Amino acid sequence: AQSVAQPEDQVNVAEGNPLTVKCTYSVSGNPYLFWYVQYPNRGLQFLLKYITGDNLVKGSYGFEAEFNKSQTSFHLKKPSALVSDSALYFCAVRDPFSGGYQKVTFGTGTKLQVIP
Amino acid sequence: DGGITQSPKYLFRKEGQNVTLSCEQNLNHDAMYWYRQDPGQGLRLIYYSQIVNDFQKGDIAEGYSVSREKKESFPLTVTSAQKNPTAFYLCASSLIQQGAGQPQHFGDGTRLSIL
Repeated sequence: AQSVAQPEDQVNVAEGNPLTVKCTYSVSGNPYLFWYVQYPNRGLQFLLKYITGDNLVKGSYGFEAEFNKSQTSFHLKKPSALVSDSALYFCAVRDPFSGGYQKVTFGTGTKLQVIP
Repeated sequence: DGGITQSPKYLFRKEGQNVTLSCEQNLNHDAMYWYRQDPGQGLRLIYYSQIVNDFQKGDIAEGYSVSREKKESFPLTVTSAQKNPTAFYLCASSLIQQGAGQPQHFGDGTRLSIL
């Protein structure tokens, strides 16, 4: 069975500082990994994904994520945080070799608070 | 602009009442999904559909029903059997392409509360 963990319920960072939101996963094979962002009372918006290739993936709004197979992690990063980055962030995993319907498993979310 | 439209944005249910949440997409996606979001629990899959006239139960289907009569539409009915329906409900859609890692696209949700 596949799973994903976001160990921090909330991350606080000062505006202009680098930010990291952590994610670890468990799948039987090579994973597909995703990051989404959710603003209050809105749906999730896709930020970036890792399928294969370069371990550093770049996405929307200046975000990037680093895939680390040995540590089974896929941490979200941004070099300089903005107040407008404050939101709820979800990591998600899919096992492409599960056959048939490829279920996506979402983490419980990490609330990012960027302090002015 | 293409996207997913969920309506209504807010919905109130009385005891013993069934309510239906609407989800329409114009992205020409084959797959559609319903999730329930509760604080601190992430997203839990209720139902999904990969093709018209076919759908499958997700992890928490009890007390819910769906239909998929058109590719664009995937309404969710919260029945009176669902004893704890208060939640934020999200509809999503995606392409189905093996090996392509297609992300899901989400609507802006319906917040359901009990009167």
